[in-house]
Amino acid sequence: SAVISQKPSRDICQRGTSLTIQCQVDSQVTMMFWYRQQPGQSLTLIATANQGSEATYESGFVIDKFPISRPNLTFSTLTVSNMSPEDSSIYLCSGLRQGGGYTFGSGTRLTVV
Amino acid sequence: DAKTTQPNSMESNEEEPVHLPCNHSTISGTDYIHWYRQLPSQGPEYVIHGLTSNVNNRMASLAIAEDRKSSTLILHRATLRDAAVYYCILSLGVGGTSYGKLTFGQGTILTVHP
Repeated sequence: SAVISQKPSRDICQRGTSLTIQCQVDSQVTMMFWYRQQPGQSLTLIATANQGSEATYESGFVIDKFPISRPNLTFSTLTVSNMSPEDSSIYLCSGLRQGGGYTFGSGTRLTVV
Repeated sequence: DAKTTQPNSMESNEEEPVHLPCNHSTISGTDYIHWYRQLPSQGPEYVIHGLTSNVNNRMASLAIAEDRKSSTLILHRATLRDAAVYYCILSLGVGGTSYGKLTFGQGTILTVHP
């Protein structure tokens, strides 16, 4: 089954700065997604990362705040821009395998101070 | 998107079977039923998924009601490592506008006692 490597695993950032999270899949997946998980909560879908085109964002999430790239089938990045303490969360990427199951990265724990 | 309803928490004893229920009364014909679990400080882990027929793998079994409005994840012998949050999720099949997306609910917190 596909394995997702996500980095960094954690970071502490100053407010007003930006952080780019990378997600690398070791085999092809048909779709890739980015989620946010706030402390003690379930996962919330941010967007679907589309290869070679603009990501598809869920309600409440915008490209200016969370720009996403997916230059090929196995790699995607999520940038959290102009961070505030409210952006402190765990960010996870996910891939839909050709067999139908989803695989998840271990997450990036972001703290904004 | 079709929604799922799960109990907030369940408890089990080690080496006993666990039946985790999920209601999805608004499921459509092309929705797949997925189960994932999340251990502390980890990303969600695939457990099992199915469409209409019951499914078995080395981790668990998925029993799907004949009308597909409910399903049950069965862990045949719970271990302490099975303590996690278990999510029952529906995803649209090919052709749906939400194809591929997983919408997580709050899940069931499973506690396993030694």
